Amino acid sequence: QSALTQPASVSGSPGQSITISCTATSSDVGGSNSVSWYQQHPGKAPKLLLYDVSNRPSGVSNRFSGSKSGNTASLTISGLQAEDEADYYCVSYTSSTRTQVFGGGTKLTVL
Amino acid sequence: QVQLQESGPGLVKPSETLSLTCTVSGYSISSGYFWGWIRQPPGKGLEWIGNIYEGGSTNYNPSLKSRVTISIDTSKNQFSLKLSSVTAADTAVYYCTRGQSRFQSNWGQGTLVTVSS
Repeated sequence: QSALTQPASVSGSPGQSITISCTATSSDVGGSNSVSWYQQHPGKAPKLLLYDVSNRPSGVSNRFSGSKSGNTASLTISGLQAEDEADYYCVSYTSSTRTQVFGGGTKLTVL
Repeated sequence: QVQLQESGPGLVKPSETLSLTCTVSGYSISSGYFWGWIRQPPGKGLEWIGNIYEGGSTNYNPSLKSRVTISIDTSKNQFSLKLSSVTAADTAVYYCTRGQSRFQSNWGQGTLVTVSS
């Protein structure tokens, strides 16, 4: 059982905004500001979208943004596009153990 | 542009050791970064296995730690994964990655390893 809980699925229409939550079930994970998000299209390797809660790597659209409040991190996708349909995973890093844990993943459907 | 390519047997027998190698091109593995492995069982989510820094220090998923070894060969610009005593539950696509301790910025294409007799 993952220490990070994500909704199994979310959906939205083109042009809308959606938010995917990632809630930590343990305090050490919840206290981390080292949260990253990945996008995975079917049959493809994951792609880094955000790191350290809200930082975007070069080349990632500014339609993707992140935030964190308490034990919950969130990924917001604005101006939803058909190409955003994919699985999304959050990851939390715990510095005391130097380990990462993945959330269970969220399937985004663009209606 | 760094590229990572996994290689190794696609079929491993139960109780044996799974061995994979990641060949890195476009970047010297001894120049820094964390080099890691992540897996994904068919139809399921991603699981962090562990990583190694270019100096050789390793970090492992506690649930796999007793069975996992990640090593690095700077002379070949490769790093490797060994997972012992495998069962069907270890059947997955295995990805090699480059990144920092807390996230992965580059991924290989992945390789499917099936555990079956």
